[in-house]
Amino acid sequence: AQSVAQPEDQVNVAEGNPLTVKCTYSVSGNPYLFWYVQYPNRGLQFLLKYITGDNLVKGSYGFEAEFNKSQTSFHLKKPSALVSDSALYFCAVKNRGYQKVTFGTGTKLQVIP
Amino acid sequence: DGGITQSPKYLFRKEGQNVTLSCEQNLNHDAMYWYRQDPGQGLRLIYYSQIVNDFQKGDIAEGYSVSREKKESFPLTVTSAQKNPTAFYLCASSILSQGANQPQHFGDGTRLSIL
Repeated sequence: AQSVAQPEDQVNVAEGNPLTVKCTYSVSGNPYLFWYVQYPNRGLQFLLKYITGDNLVKGSYGFEAEFNKSQTSFHLKKPSALVSDSALYFCAVKNRGYQKVTFGTGTKLQVIP
Repeated sequence: DGGITQSPKYLFRKEGQNVTLSCEQNLNHDAMYWYRQDPGQGLRLIYYSQIVNDFQKGDIAEGYSVSREKKESFPLTVTSAQKNPTAFYLCASSILSQGANQPQHFGDGTRLSIL
């Protein structure tokens, strides 16, 4: 079984401040981890993924994520938030060798001008 | 440009009616997926297919049916047995040949409502 939790329904951050969107996961073995972003009435867009190796993964639009195996976390970060980053963010986990992906419930990011 | 096209963008269903949501991809991806999105519940997998003429049930397949007659197409039928069909439906695809770590590519969804 695999699962992912996004403990915050909404995160508010001032423009220019650093942002963090939290994600924890549960999976047997080593996971593949993903972050996606969704704008209103649109599909999900891929931001970044963790496969193996370096615990800090860099992705699109200046986002990065830190993999922490001991805490089973994969938090999304950005050094300086933009108003245009306001959207719904989904964390996802996949067990290696297993085709299904499990998505979190999503975190709404609101960047305040 | 390559991508996934879902149609229609908005769809209304009458009581007792079956409706079919279209999903077409020109990415030459092997696998295709259907998800249902409800507020606060994230994405839930309905059906997925890794190869033509084969598909598997996801977590919430009851009241839905699919077909995969062509690699490019994976239509979803919402049957009258689905008692709460109002939701945002997302189709996705992914490459299998490059390993299991490839991300999914999504269409822009179909919003289904009950009349």
